[in-house]
Amino acid sequence: QVQLVQSGAEVKKPGSSVKVSCKASGATFNYYTISWVRQAPGLGLEWMGRIIPVLGTTDYAQTLQGRVTIIADKSTSTVYMELSTLRSEDTAVYYCARSIVDGAGFYFDYWGQGTLVTVSS
Amino acid sequence: DIQMTQSPSSLSASVGDRVTITCRASQDINIFLAWYQVKPGKPPKHLIYAASTLQSGVPSRFSGSGSGTDFTLTISSLQPEDVATYYCQKYNNALLTFGGGTKVEIK
Repeated sequence: QVQLVQSGAEVKKPGSSVKVSCKASGATFNYYTISWVRQAPGLGLEWMGRIIPVLGTTDYAQTLQGRVTIIADKSTSTVYMELSTLRSEDTAVYYCARSIVDGAGFYFDYWGQGTLVTVSS
Repeated sequence: DIQMTQSPSSLSASVGDRVTITCRASQDINIFLAWYQVKPGKPPKHLIYAASTLQSGVPSRFSGSGSGTDFTLTISSLQPEDVATYYCQKYNNALLTFGGGTKVEIK
């Protein structure tokens, strides 16, 4: 059984950065692809980006390119998502999710519990 | 970019009713479509992939169908625990997009 455990809630000032962690257990970490998906209050789901830990390669959503960075620490089976230059619109629950590759794309089977990030002055 | 449009945006039905949610892609995505259930305060739960394949452990009252541009998620007999918002997600390429969601309530 795959488990993804995320770090706790954060409150940040506009213009600052936030770093959220996602620790994986229950299966071979290196064989995962891990994505980050967020949901702003009252809005839908938005894919942010993904990492293939064994390769260290990343893909990011075009809308967040330049502001989001995803890295993996293979020694602790932990993936980190850092979002910079925060604005109020970045207030959301952030999820990590295991991505299953199917064809040229991927979907998400296991999810972390979510991390609320609040951006407020 | 391919847009994913869900309808209706919300619905209210009685326990035991058959419920159908539609997801339409602006271009052909073959069968590369997944469905998720989201309850307040909980992470999304994966229901279906490849348009019609049920994820292990998902109740059999859930089913998916479609290919190309038109897809449906059906709950054959709505249960109180099915109250949630449902999202489709296309994954025919690495430009992942979710639909806008359909909120399902009990009448």
